[in-house]
Amino acid sequence: NAGVTQTPKFRILKIGQSMTLQCAQDMNHNYMYWYRQDPGMGLKLIYYSVGAGITDKGEVPNGYNVSRSTTEDFPLRLELAAPSQTSVYFCASSPPATGVNEKLFFGSGTQLSVL
Amino acid sequence: DQQVKQNSPSLSVQEGRISILNCDYTNSMFDYFLWYKKYPAEGPTFLISISSIKDKNEDGRFTVFLNKSAKHLSLHIVPSQPGDSAVYFCAEGFQGAQKLVFGQGTRLTINP
Repeated sequence: NAGVTQTPKFRILKIGQSMTLQCAQDMNHNYMYWYRQDPGMGLKLIYYSVGAGITDKGEVPNGYNVSRSTTEDFPLRLELAAPSQTSVYFCASSPPATGVNEKLFFGSGTQLSVL
Repeated sequence: DQQVKQNSPSLSVQEGRISILNCDYTNSMFDYFLWYKKYPAEGPTFLISISSIKDKNEDGRFTVFLNKSAKHLSLHIVPSQPGDSAVYFCAEGFQGAQKLVFGQGTRLTINP
């Protein structure tokens, strides 16, 4: 039961470097999301996707890009990393909206430090 | 502008007693409310949810209460167990919209 898999678990970047956070799910979920969690704060939505080829911005999209070429994968790209992007990043997935049974399944997170 | 607030960063409760976690929201249009639990080095996991047409939902030791007039959500855990020690996030959204707004989290510690 892999669920949602995120790699890497930890990463240190220098200011201005770029990297891609990987996310894969094996539950055949249509919906996928990227959240970030800053210390003492709730999770904030960066980008989400309702299916392959379709992505949309969340609450805090600046400095990030996403793509969704397959149902399984939803990578998050950081271009020109900045210290403000130091955070824990969570990928999540969910099946199509089913009313009160909607819920997100989260990966274990990627802790990113930009120095 | 924080739409969802958990005003208590931490809570300490004796094992066997009741734990009450609280959450306030500002957007009266939210119609779906959830609680997630998070252990260190893991992602959040779904705990319990409630829709706006109800004021209470139970699942074993966990009960969620919704007071729409006060825009207040609470989670009751009875009896509290050491394994309940974790960070709890409330989250609100719109049914069918698939986007949730999370609170800051409350760290619950259950003392033996």
